[in-house]
Amino acid sequence: QKEVEQDPGPLSVPEGAIVSLNCTYSNSAFQYFMWYRQYSRKGPELLMYTYSSGNKEDGRFTAQVDKSSKYISLFIRDSQPSDSATYLCATGAGHNAGGTSYGKLTFGQGTILTVHP
Amino acid sequence: DTGVSQDPRHKITKRGQNVTFRCDPISEHNRLYWYRQTLGQGPEFLTYFQNEAQLEKSRLLSDRFSAERPKGSFSTLEIQRTEQGDSAMYLCASSSGQGGTDTQYFGPGTRLTVL
Repeated sequence: QKEVEQDPGPLSVPEGAIVSLNCTYSNSAFQYFMWYRQYSRKGPELLMYTYSSGNKEDGRFTAQVDKSSKYISLFIRDSQPSDSATYLCATGAGHNAGGTSYGKLTFGQGTILTVHP
Repeated sequence: DTGVSQDPRHKITKRGQNVTFRCDPISEHNRLYWYRQTLGQGPEFLTYFQNEAQLEKSRLLSDRFSAERPKGSFSTLEIQRTEQGDSAMYLCASSSGQGGTDTQYFGPGTRLTVL
């Protein structure tokens, strides 16, 4: 079983729709959570970064973390064709006393999203 | 441009050849990471450096792979005796390594095709 599971989709929605993207993780050591967006043949671009359980909003994007159920979500409101990309969830264990595994990210498989006009 | 840069962007090679990729991190970022991404998958961690010290290597990094960051600035990733299974996008990322906010910024990647 992978440490981070993400539904690969593909997901196709009409412009203006609300999009919900989800990941689950199994390692309780994961302390921080990110969503990256990746356009075709490009490197991942950071969208959202959060530490704690709860919601974090940035414009049309809301990241939600539930540490008790090990579940992370990204919501996109008023989706646009330019949002069409692969969305990757990622987690990190953060610093620990031994100084190991600091900074290493574990990614989900990625969800391919297409927003059509 | 002050982002992470990688060179070359594309590399086609024959099986058995050696290849070397370069990554230039964001200026003053002391952490540098290498990931590998195959089609339809998320990036997988390979190794990372803090300054010139290589602090962690994944089991994915076989003996044919070697990474260096000699002066704590740019890094190289070399693959010896390439195999078709090495075909992937090789991504480099850097971060400032400040406290728990180890935000990693990715470069555009080097796409390797092994024939």
